[in-house]
Amino acid sequence: KAGVTQTPRYLIKTRGQQVTLSCSPISGHRSVSWYQQTPGQGLQFLFEYFSETQRNKGNFPGRFSGRQFSNSRSEMNVSTLELGDSALYLCASSFQPGAQLVTYEQYFGPGTRLTVT
Amino acid sequence: QQQVKQSPQSLIVQKGGISIINCAYENTAFDYFPWYQQFPGKGPALLIAIRPDVSEKKEGRFTISFNKSAKQFSLHIMDSQPGDSATYFCAARSNTNAGKSTFGDGTTLTVKP
Repeated sequence: KAGVTQTPRYLIKTRGQQVTLSCSPISGHRSVSWYQQTPGQGLQFLFEYFSETQRNKGNFPGRFSGRQFSNSRSEMNVSTLELGDSALYLCASSFQPGAQLVTYEQYFGPGTRLTVT
Repeated sequence: QQQVKQSPQSLIVQKGGISIINCAYENTAFDYFPWYQQFPGKGPALLIAIRPDVSEKKEGRFTISFNKSAKQFSLHIMDSQPGDSATYFCAARSNTNAGKSTFGDGTTLTVKP
């Protein structure tokens, strides 16, 4: 199976702009989670989507949003970019056979490196 | 509140030696403990994981030791190789928040030839 793919891999934006990142999970995986990785804060959970519904959300401002499509692909959007949003944004997918909350392995994509100038 | 504490921050080991990274957690609802390996410019790759019903799991040169009463778990890399040089993250999840992993701060491992 192909792994988790993320596009674009690199992005440079200016403060105040908005950005949309895309994630395609492993085939058959219905749970998609997003994380922000920075040198100072480490890996921080943004949100998780399952069957097109946000199931969990981390402690990030409302400028960070996401959605999931019927084919499980997911996008995250950051509006009104700030310098502090510069980070590696990681997407992870997990196999979830149903709505039951069971922990399965999470597999990460290569990430999108966002630089805000 | 940091729910998963990882140590050491950095580690230097000679080739052939044993690398040991430790993690401690606070939330007793955690029921799944994976370790990830990350190389520069790459996403974290799942290395090995354990559930609290076992005290040890071994896969090749990698072993997780788990102490439920102490709420601690550790990664042991036997016969460490220069190719193991990477950043290692421990993490924890619970089935009530199955999509959310809480990560330690990471350990940068350098294996000297």
